[in-house]
Amino acid sequence: NAGVTQTPKFRVLKTGQSMTLLCAQDMNHEYMYWYRQDPGMGLRLIHYSVGEGTTAKGEVPDGYNVSRLKKQNFLLGLESAAPSQTSVYFCASRQLVSGANVLTFGAGSRLTVL
Amino acid sequence: AQTVTQSQPEMSVQEAETVTLSCTYDTSESNYYLFWYKQPPSRQMILVIRQEAYKQQNATENRFSVNFQKAAKSFSLKISDSQLGDTAMYFCGYTGNQFYFGTGTSLTVIP
Repeated sequence: NAGVTQTPKFRVLKTGQSMTLLCAQDMNHEYMYWYRQDPGMGLRLIHYSVGEGTTAKGEVPDGYNVSRLKKQNFLLGLESAAPSQTSVYFCASRQLVSGANVLTFGAGSRLTVL
Repeated sequence: AQTVTQSQPEMSVQEAETVTLSCTYDTSESNYYLFWYKQPPSRQMILVIRQEAYKQQNATENRFSVNFQKAAKSFSLKISDSQLGDTAMYFCGYTGNQFYFGTGTSLTVIP
C-alpha cells in the first residue's frame, strides 16, 4: 500500500536547468495536486488535475508545467529553474471519505536551485 | 476572498498539558469541511481531524478535539495530554471546491 510516491526526494539544480518531479498514486484517485511549501506561507497550489489528460492552474503556476498522461501519474516540470523555486514540493491525491474530500500526501521533494 | 489565518506562528507546551491552536477562515461557500493536518519533522502530512461545517457537534479524535464556531468562522484545535510525538507543524484549512491551507503553527512539546 504505497499511497502517493514522489521522486526524487531531494534535488539540487543550477539556475536555468530543467527537471521533472514524478508523483505516482496507486489508489485510482481522479484528482491530483501539486503544492509548494515555503516558510511562513503554508501550502500553495501550483497545478492540479481532475482526471487523466486534464490539468489546470492553481495559485502559483508560473514557471511550472504539468502533465497527466496516465491516471496514476502526475508530473511537475521546471523548464528553466530559478532560485525562487527553491522549495519543498508536495503531491497529493484526493479521495472521498464519508462524504468529505480528503487529501493523501506524498512525502515531499526538497528542491534547491543555486 | 478565500483565506485561512493561523495567528500563532509558534507555540510550546509542557508534556502532558493541554494546548489550543487557533484558526480562522473566510469563505463564501455554503458546503465545506474543515481540517487540521500535522507535519512532523519527517515532513509527512498527516490528517489529524476534520469537521463538517453543517454539523454543530465538535469533532474529536482521541486526544485531539476541535472548537468550531461557525458564525465566527473559527476552528481551533485542542490537544490534550500533549506528547513529545505531537511536536510538529500544524496546518488548518477547509475544502469546498478546492483545498485552502493556513500558514501553519509550529508546536513544540517540552519534556
